[in-house]
Amino acid sequence: KAGVTQTPRYLIKTRGQQVTLSCSPISGHRSVSWYQQTPGQGLQFLFEYFSETQRNKGNFPGRFSGRQFSNSRSEMNVSTLELGDSALYLCASSFQSLGVFGTVNTEAFFGQGTRLTVV
Amino acid sequence: QKEVEQDPGPLSVPEGAIVSLNCTYSNSAFQYFMWYRQYSRKGPELLMYTYSSGNKEDGRFTAQVDKSSKYISLFIRDSQPSDSATYLCAPGDMRFGAGTRLTVKP
Repeated sequence: KAGVTQTPRYLIKTRGQQVTLSCSPISGHRSVSWYQQTPGQGLQFLFEYFSETQRNKGNFPGRFSGRQFSNSRSEMNVSTLELGDSALYLCASSFQSLGVFGTVNTEAFFGQGTRLTVV
Repeated sequence: QKEVEQDPGPLSVPEGAIVSLNCTYSNSAFQYFMWYRQYSRKGPELLMYTYSSGNKEDGRFTAQVDKSSKYISLFIRDSQPSDSATYLCAPGDMRFGAGTRLTVKP
């Protein structure tokens, strides 16, 4: 079956602009989680959407937002871009919500990521 | 205290060495523990998961959990250059450690 698809793969934006990233999960999966990965901070959790509702949120400013559509596809938006937002943005798809991870046997699948460069 | 602590390395070993990667976590409610592997320019992929305390072996890889000390480990035997990647621990709810970058030199 098709994996998790993220678009675009690469993006260059200017400070102050906004950007929208897209994630199409594996068919049947209702949870989409977003992560920011940088060399200094590692893989940091942004937020999770499950059945169109934000279920969990990490410690990121309000400039980072997201949404999920009825077909489970998700978008992440970053407004007023800063140089420090340059990172690899990854989404993960799973059948179960992250809220039950750790207590049930389930798995999350990652996309290849979108490399965002802010200049 | 961070939810997950992992030594970011980098770690460089010769081919054939035994590699030990470790994480500590804080949430005692977790029962499932995962290790993800991430190759350069790729997304992470699930390498192994273990349930509760104890060991789980899969080929050259062994995952170990000690819930009493909230400590998880991944051992790689007979390491190969193809094992060169970043290894991420995820105890429970997909809140990851920093990841350890491993290089296995031929």
